[in-house]
Amino acid sequence: KNEVEQSPQNLTAQEGEFITINCSYSVGISALHWLQQHPGGGIVSLFMLSSGKKKHGRLIATINIQEKHSSLHITASHPRDSAVYICAVKTGGGADGLTFGKGTHLIIQP
Amino acid sequence: ETGVTQSPTHLIKTRGQQVTLRCSSQSGHNTVSWYQQALGQGPQFIFQYYREEENGRGNFPPRFSGLQFPNYSSELNVNALELDDSALYLCASSSSRQGRGNEQFFGPGTRLTVL
Repeated sequence: KNEVEQSPQNLTAQEGEFITINCSYSVGISALHWLQQHPGGGIVSLFMLSSGKKKHGRLIATINIQEKHSSLHITASHPRDSAVYICAVKTGGGADGLTFGKGTHLIIQP
Repeated sequence: ETGVTQSPTHLIKTRGQQVTLRCSSQSGHNTVSWYQQALGQGPQFIFQYYREEENGRGNFPPRFSGLQFPNYSSELNVNALELDDSALYLCASSSSRQGRGNEQFFGPGTRLTVL
């Protein structure tokens, strides 16, 4: 079983809809990252959080440490939001890299 | 401030060959992490370099090796290439104290195809 599980794996929605992507993890973490990957491979860091909630533009990320769960929300979705959204966790404070989920493939149709 | 760059962008090799991939970290960053992303999968951690020393390693065999230079740029070397090594190789730089975690900034990746 993967240490980081994302749902849904695929999501197609209409422009303007409110989008929620979920991430659950089974290990203790020091931080959780939400990343965006466009076709061609480049990854952009959206959020890094260890508690509470962060907002940037139309994107909101929340985390519940006790429940080992995080959500990424997109308000007023737009076709340019179409991408793969990846949840990744940093376990402990050591030098190990991030452990990634498999990603959620989001398509926003006009 | 320049971002993380990687070279080459694409590479085709044959089984048994060796390959070197390069990464220039973002200005001011002293830590570089390398990841392998197979098609349709999330990235897998290969190793991390902090101040020219390997500082952590994932579940990859010794034929995956690396270097970090005094300017904090880094190389990933893969010997005896196998078909399953075909993947997107991503590097990420961060500014860490004693190699501890911090926000990572990713490069565009190098797509390696092994025939």
